[in-house]
Amino acid sequence: DSGVTQTPKHLITATGQRVTLRCSPRSGDLSVYWYQQSLDQGLQFLIHYYNGEERAKGNILERFSAQQFPDLHSELNLSSLELGDSALYFCASSASLGDRGEAFFGQGTRLTVV
Amino acid sequence: DAKTTQPTSMDCAEGRAANLPCNHSTISGNEYVYWYRQIHSQGPQYIIHGLKNNETNEMASLIITEDRKSSTLILPHATLRDTAVYYCIVWWINDMRFGAGTRLTVKP
Repeated sequence: DSGVTQTPKHLITATGQRVTLRCSPRSGDLSVYWYQQSLDQGLQFLIHYYNGEERAKGNILERFSAQQFPDLHSELNLSSLELGDSALYFCASSASLGDRGEAFFGQGTRLTVV
Repeated sequence: DAKTTQPTSMDCAEGRAANLPCNHSTISGNEYVYWYRQIHSQGPQYIIHGLKNNETNEMASLIITEDRKSSTLILPHATLRDTAVYYCIVWWINDMRFGAGTRLTVKP
């Protein structure tokens, strides 16, 4: 158990809908990273938050947004869903900005858009 | 884009050492080399990381060349449970980007 909790584990929704994925980092970790992994593809970096502030953006679509709350949990919002958004979504947390120590991953949320 | 280059796939016999290479020729002075692995569709699992010295832990050893342009992850006695995709990442702050990784298959 990495200590990073993602909910829900599975989500099935229809095209055009909006969903929210939640990530609770390890206790005390200030950084949260979000990744998308489509079937048999690599991990695509989406966004990084540190202590409530956005630090880096990767290949995140405009239909997607994220935030990190004062209690340090993070949410990834996906709207106007398309079939191609079906994927595993992982979050990871680390103690700092990434200048020391490792990041730990949750078990992911499997999103299926039908 | 990822800053590392790894072989697409490798095989290893069970009980033998698995040596996974990684090239990171554009690594900057502050960036660490990290290794993760992903078994099936589970969340990636941290293995080891280092800056310029060789490192060893209970899972693996990391050998970094003196010029820091490449590294090798060594699993000393590979088991069937080590079959996974192994990712080499260079990372300091902000974004941690994964490449395609090496699919290691450990065979009986």
